Amino acid sequence: EAGVTQSPTHLIKTRGQQATLRCSPISGHTSVYWYQQALGLGLQFLLWYDEGEERNRGNFPPRFSGRQFPNYSSELNVNALELEDSALYLCASTLLAGGNEQFFGPGTRLTVL
Amino acid sequence: GESVGLHLPTLSVQEGDNSIINCAYSNSASDYFIWYKQESGKGPQFIIDIRSNMDKRQGQRVTVLLNKTVKHLSLQIAATQPGDSAVYFCAENRGGADGLTFGKGTHLIIQP
Repeated sequence: EAGVTQSPTHLIKTRGQQATLRCSPISGHTSVYWYQQALGLGLQFLLWYDEGEERNRGNFPPRFSGRQFPNYSSELNVNALELEDSALYLCASTLLAGGNEQFFGPGTRLTVL
Repeated sequence: GESVGLHLPTLSVQEGDNSIINCAYSNSASDYFIWYKQESGKGPQFIIDIRSNMDKRQGQRVTVLLNKTVKHLSLQIAATQPGDSAVYFCAENRGGADGLTFGKGTHLIIQP
């Protein structure tokens, strides 16, 4: 069974640009979570999608947004990129909404120059 | 705000020895805890979990202990191997709406 996949692996942008990150959950999983892992810090919750709807978001500005598609894959969009947005962005999926065991993808390393 | 945190940022142990990684949490209402392992360049990997109605749970070479009185969680790894080198995170799930709340992580280094 394929795990959670994310693309691209690495992404380099400049300040003010927009970034789009993609995530495909494990087959059959309907919930997708996004986390930001900045260098030297723990994972910070960004967004939660379930059944195509945004269910909750963490303490991040509105320029962090996303969506979930009918096939449960998800996109994270970051507008007006700032230097401090440089981080590893991780996606996790769960079988059920609010499920405890979250399975993580390998992440997308975003670098903002 | 309430958070989950770790006592030590780096732990160095000899190969074959046992490792103990500690974690403190502050939300007494939390009822589910998870340990993740993150190797360089990879996403976190689930190791073991425990519910608040338990005080100990064992897996393969790993044991998690929960002390609700002092709000403390620990991960014990028996007979550490080079492949155990990674950053270990404890995390708390408060029901799914807020995702997981992670500590900053402990870097476990295995010395030959």
